[in-house]
Amino acid sequence: QQQVKQSPQSLIVQKGGISIINCAYENTAFDYFPWYQQFPGKGPALLIAIRPDVSEKKEGRFTISFNKSAKQFSLHIMDSQPGDSATYFCAARLNQAGTALIFGKGTTLSVSS
Amino acid sequence: GAVVSQHPSWVICKSGTSVKIECRSLDFQATTMFWYRQFPKQSLMLMATSNEGSKATYEQGVEKDKFLINHASLTLSTLTVTSAHPEDSSFYICSASEGNGYTFGSGTRLTVV
Repeated sequence: QQQVKQSPQSLIVQKGGISIINCAYENTAFDYFPWYQQFPGKGPALLIAIRPDVSEKKEGRFTISFNKSAKQFSLHIMDSQPGDSATYFCAARLNQAGTALIFGKGTTLSVSS
Repeated sequence: GAVVSQHPSWVICKSGTSVKIECRSLDFQATTMFWYRQFPKQSLMLMATSNEGSKATYEQGVEKDKFLINHASLTLSTLTVTSAHPEDSSFYICSASEGNGYTFGSGTRLTVV
């Protein structure tokens, strides 16, 4: 119930293509769903986040699609670039003050030029 | 935006010695900070949650006597790895909570030789 399941584990996309990473959860008490990008040897950096009352959020080339009934959310990276090659983590937070994020297992994205 | 400074970025220590890692929120007050551990090609594993002025809450399986956490002020939390051994070698990352957002430090690579 506390898990966030992320797929695929790795992804190779051509430059200019669309990268899609999916996450699923069970606990309906989650109220905040961020995506983080991590480069080797660095801490995670927030990309974009969404709340369950919104079905889609777009920031630049990054879009989150949220399906509350299916308990799924996904990250779309449009016009993928080699600089997007990194590990991406979805996460979720329980609707309680001061609780930690629960992370998916991560997706390693490689964008080939 | 919110900035979390983590220091040092990397440290090598001898087996049996102790190492202190600092995590500072630079432009906001963090009532709650989180410490994670990350093994190569794996996700972030929550070690403990620290609240300013109170004892940290450790996740199951994390030795509180080995990983000492102090959150003495609203801007500083420290993690001390006591009597470090090679199996403690890992990437340690702190995170600070501000409102609904979570900001991560840049991580500390600990190598115990």
